[in-house]
Amino acid sequence: KAGVTQTPRYLIKTRGQQVTLSCSPISGHRSVSWYQQTPGQGLQFLFEYFSETQRNKGNFPGRFSGRQFSNSRSEMNVSTLELGDSALYLCASSLYGTGGYSTGELFFGEGSRLTVL
Amino acid sequence: AQKVTQAQTEISVVEKEDVTLDCVYETRDTTYYLFWYKQPPSGELVFLIRRNSFDEQNEISGRYSWNFQKSTSSFNFTITASQVVDSAVYFCALSEASGGGADGLTFGKGTHLIIQP
Repeated sequence: KAGVTQTPRYLIKTRGQQVTLSCSPISGHRSVSWYQQTPGQGLQFLFEYFSETQRNKGNFPGRFSGRQFSNSRSEMNVSTLELGDSALYLCASSLYGTGGYSTGELFFGEGSRLTVL
Repeated sequence: AQKVTQAQTEISVVEKEDVTLDCVYETRDTTYYLFWYKQPPSGELVFLIRRNSFDEQNEISGRYSWNFQKSTSSFNFTITASQVVDSAVYFCALSEASGGGADGLTFGKGTHLIIQP
């Protein structure tokens, strides 16, 4: 069974540019969530999608956005990049997502490492 | 607000020693889920265990064991007879069940475990 696939694995951008990251969840999983990992702030929740609907969003500015397609694949976009956006962006998929009374395991991809110069 | 504290930033032990990673959490919910994840250098978070707040039974899986104590809001993780392959960063995480929205997982800062041969 294929795991969570994230592309690209590494990318370098300059300030002011925008970036789109892609995530393909485990087959059958309808929930995709995104996390940002930095040395200073650790792992922080960005947002979660379930059946193409954003269920919630973490405490991040509007420059961070995402979407989920009908095949459950998800993309996240960061516009007007800042130096502080340099991070490892992790995508996780699960059957039911988090919250509610059926929170299950989240399966993570290897992440997309973004460097902003 | 929910919070997870992993007070041990880094632990270094010699192979075959037992080691315990501490995790203390805060939540106002009565129903919640606790997780442990392992992050090897490749970056992917590997799921180890999920425990709901109504199940205080300790769990053992091979060399791994978990001690959940609601009275002290702790969910500690012990590796018995550690091996070099156990070297990684370990994260404890919490997800609240109520509230309606999906707030994702709240992660601790992680404990970097170094197993020396």
